[in-house]
Amino acid sequence: DTEVTQTPKHLVMGMTNKKSLKCEQHMGHRAMYWYKQKAKKPPELMFVYSYEKLSINESVPSRFSPECPNSSLLNLHLHALQPEDSALYLCASSPGTDSGANVLTFGAGSRLTVL
Amino acid sequence: GQNIDQPTEMTATEGAIVQINCTYQTSGFNGLFWYQQHAGEAPTFLSYNVLDGLEEKGRFSSFLSRSKGYSYLLLKELQMKDSASYLCAVRAIKAAGNKLTFGGGTRVLVKP
Repeated sequence: DTEVTQTPKHLVMGMTNKKSLKCEQHMGHRAMYWYKQKAKKPPELMFVYSYEKLSINESVPSRFSPECPNSSLLNLHLHALQPEDSALYLCASSPGTDSGANVLTFGAGSRLTVL
Repeated sequence: GQNIDQPTEMTATEGAIVQINCTYQTSGFNGLFWYQQHAGEAPTFLSYNVLDGLEEKGRFSSFLSRSKGYSYLLLKELQMKDSASYLCAVRAIKAAGNKLTFGGGTRVLVKP
């Protein structure tokens, strides 16, 4: 299995809703990432988990709350979002975070619309 | 911080060659990656350079000069399916760990 699976593919939510994005990989990777991508812009790093511990938080607002229940799963909990948070949220995983090729494999993304 | 520059858009003809340049400024450089992203899809890995020189992979080659902060991706024998965005990404060692940052991407349009 060489895939990163993200659910849901599409999500529409109101500003008062609470929802979660889910990501799963079974490649034995020990690092997992959340990126945010707006239309015609590059992916922007949000969070990095290494060995199930949060190692990088790119000053992301607290209305985004990541969680790594185990080495295969990564969640992004959403609460009180703003319309400007509408974007494609990409999950990725890599063997580790150290040197070497350590290629990131991306999921297909969850397209979020905040009304 | 990091500064990664690449052209916004390029157009080329099927069967031709296109070279996408990427310049970067960063501390703690630890590798440069090229990804391909079709509209509405996830980025997919194309190539990785950490030492100076050329890496060749079939129709795609990537070059790195660390002293110049410069890389290029060369696409040969262009096919219509190569129409996509090409993202240059730089990995740097930071206090919190290795961090991969993407450039703005170059949209390549292949015409018949």
